[in-house]
Amino acid sequence: NAGVTQTPKFQVLKTGQSMTLQCAQDMNHEYMSWYRQDPGMGLRLIHYSVGAGITDQGEVPNGYNVSRSTTEDFPLRLLSAAPSQTSVYFCASSYRGGKNTEAFFGQGTRLTVV
Amino acid sequence: AQSVTQPDIHITVSEGASLELRCNYSYGATPYLFWYVQSPGQGLQLLLKYFSGDTLVQGIKGFEAEFKRSQSSFNLRKPSVHWSDAAEYFCAVGSYGATNKLIFGTGTLLAVQP
Repeated sequence: NAGVTQTPKFQVLKTGQSMTLQCAQDMNHEYMSWYRQDPGMGLRLIHYSVGAGITDQGEVPNGYNVSRSTTEDFPLRLLSAAPSQTSVYFCASSYRGGKNTEAFFGQGTRLTVV
Repeated sequence: AQSVTQPDIHITVSEGASLELRCNYSYGATPYLFWYVQSPGQGLQLLLKYFSGDTLVQGIKGFEAEFKRSQSSFNLRKPSVHWSDAAEYFCAVGSYGATNKLIFGTGTLLAVQP
C-alpha cells in the first residue's frame, strides 16, 4: 500500500514550458485534491475532484488544468509555466464523507520555474 | 470569509517544556478541524482531528487539542516537547464530508532547544 504517490519530486522548468505533475493513490479514495504551498501562505487549494470524471476549481486555479479519468490518478497540468508557479505542490486523497475520514498527502513536488 | 489563523509564525521551546500552538478559525458550517505536521522536505502527517463529541481530542506522538466553539479555537498542546517535534505545524478546517477542500492556516514553525 503506497498511499499517495507524486512524481516527479523535483522539477525545473523554463518560463512558457508545459508539464504534468502526476498523482496516484491506491486506497480507492473518491476524493482527490491539489494544493500548492508557498512560504508564509500555508497550503492553498488549486483543484479538486469528487470522483472520476468530476473536477472543480479551488482557490487558485489559474494556470492549471486537471482531469480525472480514473479513480486512482489525478494529474495536474501546467499549460505555460510562469515564475509565479514556483512552489511545492501536494496531492491529497480521502474517502467521501464520514466523520473518521481524513486527507492523506503525498510527499510533494518541488517546482522551480526560471 | 472562511479562514484559519495561526498567529504564531515561529515558536522556540526548550526540550521537556510544554507547548501550545494556537489556531483560530472562521467557518460558516460546522467545522471539521485538523492538525497536520510537516517535517522538512516531507509531506503532511495528520496529528489529530475533531468533528464532534468530546472537545479534547488525543492524537499521535503525545499531542492533544481542545475545541472551544465559543472562542472558535482549536489549540494544539503537548506536555513535554522532544527534539524530534521540531517541524512545521498546520491547522486546517473543512466541512463534514469535504476533506477534499481544506482551508489551511499559514503554519507555525517549531524549533526545539536542547
